[in-house]
Amino acid sequence: EAGVAQSPRYKIIEKRQSVAFWCNPISGHATLYWYQQILGQGPKLLIQFQNNGVVDDSQLPKDRFSAERLKGVDSTLKIQPAKLEDSAVYLCASSLGGTGGQPQHFGDGTRLSIL
Amino acid sequence: AQTVTQSQPEMSVQEAETVTLSCTYDTSENNYYLFWYKQPPSRQMILVIRQEAYKQQNATENRFSVNFQKAAKSFSLKISDSQLGDTAMYFCAFMKLNQGGKLIFGQGTELSVKP
Repeated sequence: EAGVAQSPRYKIIEKRQSVAFWCNPISGHATLYWYQQILGQGPKLLIQFQNNGVVDDSQLPKDRFSAERLKGVDSTLKIQPAKLEDSAVYLCASSLGGTGGQPQHFGDGTRLSIL
Repeated sequence: AQTVTQSQPEMSVQEAETVTLSCTYDTSENNYYLFWYKQPPSRQMILVIRQEAYKQQNATENRFSVNFQKAAKSFSLKISDSQLGDTAMYFCAFMKLNQGGKLIFGQGTELSVKP
């Protein structure tokens, strides 16, 4: 079974520039998550999709971050404009969803550095 | 709101010995799920073990086992016969029932297994 695919693996940009990350979940997984992991901390949920609808985006800084999951499969996360504090690893995860405590499967993440 | 606390930022253990990582959490919920994830330097989060709060029996996966104390809101991970490949960051995570699978992570414990 193919895992969660993410690209790019690394990205370096200057502040105020824009950047986009891509995620392809495990086939058949209805739920997709984007997490932000700042160095030395645990991941924090940014946004959660169920199929192509948003379930939770309460911690997404909507003035600069946006995400979409067209057709309920792959997803993109965009930051525009980037700030120094956005330097982090961005992790994508997917799961079967539902209420049964299904574990999440994570991709390798994208390490973003803001200069 | 739920919180997860890992009070040991770093730990080390000799190869083949046993080590226990601590985790406490705060919630008013009665039914929920708890997880331990491992994050090696490659960054991919890997599920180690999962516990359902309504099950009194502690979960076990090969060399990994948990000590789940629901009343004390404690969820520690025991690694037996430690191997060099166990070197990684370990995160404890909480999932509320019926919340679509959102994970709340602790700050992590960096485990080093020494030869």
